Amino acid sequence: GIQVEQSPPDLILQEGANSTLRCNFSDSVNNLQWFHQNPWGQLINLFYIPSGTKQNGRLSATTVATERYSLLYISSSQTTDSGVYFCAVVSGTYKYIFGTGTRLKVLA
Amino acid sequence: DGGITQSPKYLFRKEGQNVTLSCEQNLNHDAMYWYRQDPGQGLRLIYYSQIVNDFQKGDIAEGYSVSREKKESFPLTVTSAQKNPTAFYLCASSMDGANSYGYTFGSGTRLTVV
Repeated sequence: GIQVEQSPPDLILQEGANSTLRCNFSDSVNNLQWFHQNPWGQLINLFYIPSGTKQNGRLSATTVATERYSLLYISSSQTTDSGVYFCAVVSGTYKYIFGTGTRLKVLA
Repeated sequence: DGGITQSPKYLFRKEGQNVTLSCEQNLNHDAMYWYRQDPGQGLRLIYYSQIVNDFQKGDIAEGYSVSREKKESFPLTVTSAQKNPTAFYLCASSMDGANSYGYTFGSGTRLTVV
């Protein structure tokens, strides 16, 4: 089955710094979604982005489907950005396969 | 507001007991999913249902059972056959079985065996 790898696995930032999270996948995908899991476990949808670029405030994402990767950019990070960021992809079937996540901690 | 409601938030199970986790959605979504998350890990698919009265096993279905009698509801039963049930359980839904618009997740249930 399709493999999803996220990097880096852990990231520590000072408040105000920028960061780039990466998601590589081993096969062509139909869908791709980025999630933020907050400290209480809630998974929040950030972007539904099977291809192209989207922006929402300080966050933006780009998926290059032909090269099998997606990037999540966080600018001017805040302590509330802390948590785990997951990339999930669908290939062939309609159910998501999740990466193992990037654990982000933003220090005040 | 539309969304997915999971209950209870915390659940304690004794050895040998079956427990049922509730998942209800008012989004009018056709497809629903159950995932399991272990500490420090990603999510693994337990069961999914694309339509009422139909469901399929995911990657780790052993020791679990589900039903889909109503569009809005997709309860998960953790049976005594599940040897290591302590985990965080997340329910999700999508508009259609083709997952055309992505998932919406509930807030999860933390199950602990005591």
